[in-house]
Amino acid sequence: GEDVEQSLFLSVREGDSSVINCTYTDSSSTYLYWYKQEPGAGLQLLTYIFSNMDMKQDQRLTVLLNKKDKHLSLRIADTQTGDSAIYFCAGAPGGYNKLIFGAGTRLAVHP
Amino acid sequence: NAGVTQTPKFQVLKTGQSMTLQCAQDMNHEYMSWYRQDPGMGLRLIHYSVGAGITDQGEVPNGYNVSRSTTEDFPLRLLSAAPSQTSVYFCASSLTTGASYNEQFFGPGTRLTVL
Repeated sequence: GEDVEQSLFLSVREGDSSVINCTYTDSSSTYLYWYKQEPGAGLQLLTYIFSNMDMKQDQRLTVLLNKKDKHLSLRIADTQTGDSAIYFCAGAPGGYNKLIFGAGTRLAVHP
Repeated sequence: NAGVTQTPKFQVLKTGQSMTLQCAQDMNHEYMSWYRQDPGMGLRLIHYSVGAGITDQGEVPNGYNVSRSTTEDFPLRLLSAAPSQTSVYFCASSLTTGASYNEQFFGPGTRLTVL
């Protein structure tokens, strides 16, 4: 089955860019997603990318997709303390709604 | 709209007890699902439903039952709780499958501890 891997922790300085990486094994997902989880809360969709795209930009967020290497990344420009959270990448190889999640990357933003 | 609501927020059970985690959504979404989140692991799909009266198993269904009698509600039942079911449980809903991209909306979670 699908396996999605992420590094578990990232620490950045406020104002710097953050890059969170994700690798996956099953390339049949039509969409790939980034979800954000703030402490004590549920997950919230941050952004997504269609599998035939290489890049998607949405304000401070840039998603890069390398289909050959099965690598997905999320770049957050001008990282703020409010960006501190856990970020999950997810695919849906079994259908649009049956998400397979990575373990999540905890982003810590310090002054 | 309240979105996706879950009750209770916290629950402690003894091994062997049963309980039902409640989930409701007011967005008229056909698709609903349950995930569990364990430390160091991503969310894993337990059960899902594509509409009232239709349910199916996800990745980790053992020890859990579901039913879907209405579009709004999708309860998750633990028949005989085990310590391995200690986890945070999330309910999610979205528009139907088969379309293009559909955003899933998550509830705030239920933190369950089984002693």
